[in-house]
Amino acid sequence: DTEVTQTPKHLVMGMTNKKSLKCEQHMGHRAMYWYKQKAKKPPELMFVYSYEKLSINESVPSRFSPECPNSSLLNLHLHALQPEDSALYLCASSQEPGGGSRTQYFGPGTRLTVL
Amino acid sequence: QKEVEQDPGPLSVPEGAIVSLNCTYSNSAFQYFMWYRQYSRKGPELLMYTYSSGNKEDGRFTAQVDKSSKYISLFIRDSQPSDSATYLCAMSERDTGFQKLVFGTGTRLLVSP
Repeated sequence: DTEVTQTPKHLVMGMTNKKSLKCEQHMGHRAMYWYKQKAKKPPELMFVYSYEKLSINESVPSRFSPECPNSSLLNLHLHALQPEDSALYLCASSQEPGGGSRTQYFGPGTRLTVL
Repeated sequence: QKEVEQDPGPLSVPEGAIVSLNCTYSNSAFQYFMWYRQYSRKGPELLMYTYSSGNKEDGRFTAQVDKSSKYISLFIRDSQPSDSATYLCAMSERDTGFQKLVFGTGTRLLVSP
């Protein structure tokens, strides 16, 4: 099973709200990723967690705060977002080194609209 | 110059046609090459994965990697309307515990019945 799940599927929030996106995988993958994707553009990497430690932060504004509570879960906490943050937010995971396939499996995404 | 170049399309073909999708890249350190299919408003779905050079076939799909030319291709045989989607190529360097993918811009494919 190569499934990554994300909740919620859709989210509408005001600029003063605080919300969280959730991602879960049960493939035993030890690297998890957050991407942002705007219409007609490829996914843009935001954060990478490897073995539950933040490995990459691609200069993402502090209004986005990632969290990795355990090896299966990844959260993205949102606060004081701007309308230009409206996008599809994708979670992905990949297998640890030496485990064979080294590629990323994506979840279905959360479509975020900031009013 | 972008690290990965991909024609954005759209590419329109009739049902049953053979489709050829391509990407070129400039980073000779890339070793892992992927093709993802993305339907509108959905997450990317892994179609093909290739390590280093060579061909790989899976049903109607064939992926080719030519590292000497820095060129990768995805062929779709007997294309179906359900193949209408955006196809993203992606590639990465050596895996060091996680994988930093570099994507092409995506090619939009339209298969008409």
